[in-house]
Amino acid sequence: AQKVTQAQTEISVVEKEDVTLDCVYETRDTTYYLFWYKQPPSGELVFLIRRNSFDEQNEISGRYSWNFQKSTSSFNFTITASQVVDSAVYFCALSEAMGKSYNTDKLIFGTGTRLQVFP
Amino acid sequence: GAGVSQSPSNKVTEKGKDVELRCDPISGHTALYWYRQSLGQGLEFLIYFQGNSAPDKSGLPSDRFSAERTGGSVSTLTIQRTQQEDSAVYLCASSLALAGQPTDTQYFGPGTRLTVL
Repeated sequence: AQKVTQAQTEISVVEKEDVTLDCVYETRDTTYYLFWYKQPPSGELVFLIRRNSFDEQNEISGRYSWNFQKSTSSFNFTITASQVVDSAVYFCALSEAMGKSYNTDKLIFGTGTRLQVFP
Repeated sequence: GAGVSQSPSNKVTEKGKDVELRCDPISGHTALYWYRQSLGQGLEFLIYFQGNSAPDKSGLPSDRFSAERTGGSVSTLTIQRTQQEDSAVYLCASSLALAGQPTDTQYFGPGTRLTVL
């Protein structure tokens, strides 16, 4: 069965600290996709990144970076120089192929990590 | 452009009543998903629609739940004879889902918070 584990329930940091959110996944598929979403207090899930199973290159987008390691089935998310606006719940998700095409996948979500950034 | 919209944003109902939740996907997106977010169960998949194909209902928790998608666009999730355990935030998402393309990103709406008294 496919599963996503986010072991960190809640993390608190002070502004400008770096913070890493962990994500470990389980799947038997050879082709799969991993995602990170941010859920601020407003409640809407905001897409951050999508990564396919064949691309293990790390990715950086501004203060955000992601480390994908198939050997450890992990897809960790680091925020550099955190800011108060980064306070949110962050979800890691894994796609599970449905039907006959890989482009209509349901998402398997982790339980989320609540990040609180204090000024 | 406009994102996924959902209505109502909040719904309070009495146990045993029926409710309808609406989702308007991003224009041109062919795939539409419903998820539920609750304290006890986290984020869980309910149902998905792709074009004119039969929906995948494998995530619906009981036969009190049903959904339809009219004209390949707007979708309605109906919960009959609501129970207190149905209280949750119901999220809708859509994706472009072009045939033959890699997995598309799902974009989420703001959700409908359902409270069953």
